[in-house]
Amino acid sequence: QKEVEQNSGPLSVPEGAIASLNCTYSDRGSQSFFWYRQYSGKSPELIMFIYSNGDKEDGRFTAQLNKASQYVSLLIRDSQPSDSATYLCAGAWGNTPLVFGKGTRLSVIA
Amino acid sequence: DGGITQSPKYLFRKEGQNVTLSCEQNLNHDAMYWYRQDPGQGLRLIYYSQIVNDFQKGDIAEGYSVSREKKESFPLTVTSAQKNPTAFYLCASSIGQGLVQGQFFGPGTRLTVL
Repeated sequence: QKEVEQNSGPLSVPEGAIASLNCTYSDRGSQSFFWYRQYSGKSPELIMFIYSNGDKEDGRFTAQLNKASQYVSLLIRDSQPSDSATYLCAGAWGNTPLVFGKGTRLSVIA
Repeated sequence: DGGITQSPKYLFRKEGQNVTLSCEQNLNHDAMYWYRQDPGQGLRLIYYSQIVNDFQKGDIAEGYSVSREKKESFPLTVTSAQKNPTAFYLCASSIGQGLVQGQFFGPGTRLTVL
């Protein structure tokens, strides 16, 4: 059973701080991981993907993948109130649909 | 503009009625998906289709039906057999199974049973 686990939160951080969102997965066979941002009442929006061990940076966002420890993380630097949303982690295993975690709610306090 | 459209945005249904939710994409994606999201919950896969005229059940297919007659379209019917259909319904698409580029979502349809 392929599973992706996330802490539901809420995770509260002050404006300007680094927000760290984490995700663990059950099966080492995953080939790639994706982070989605979902604002309340809206659909998920893809913000990052990573398939190699290590870090991948895109603006204020850094995705980190550690296949040996089976975890994925998303760092948001200089957090803004507009970053307040639910962040979904998803993994890809072979020729099947993405497996999504239940999401972590992030609240950035001004 | 390329993208995924869903209609209607809001839908109200009386108990015992079947309703059909529309999903159209012009991204030339092969695969399409339907998810259900309940308040404070994650995404649950209802059905998915990798190619035209073929589709597979997801985790919660009971009470739902789909068709895939065209590459661009993947409508979802919520039947009267679905006992608790009030939810936010999301359609998504991807190139293949989304291993490289992920899945892209439409804006969603919010269904309420009266």
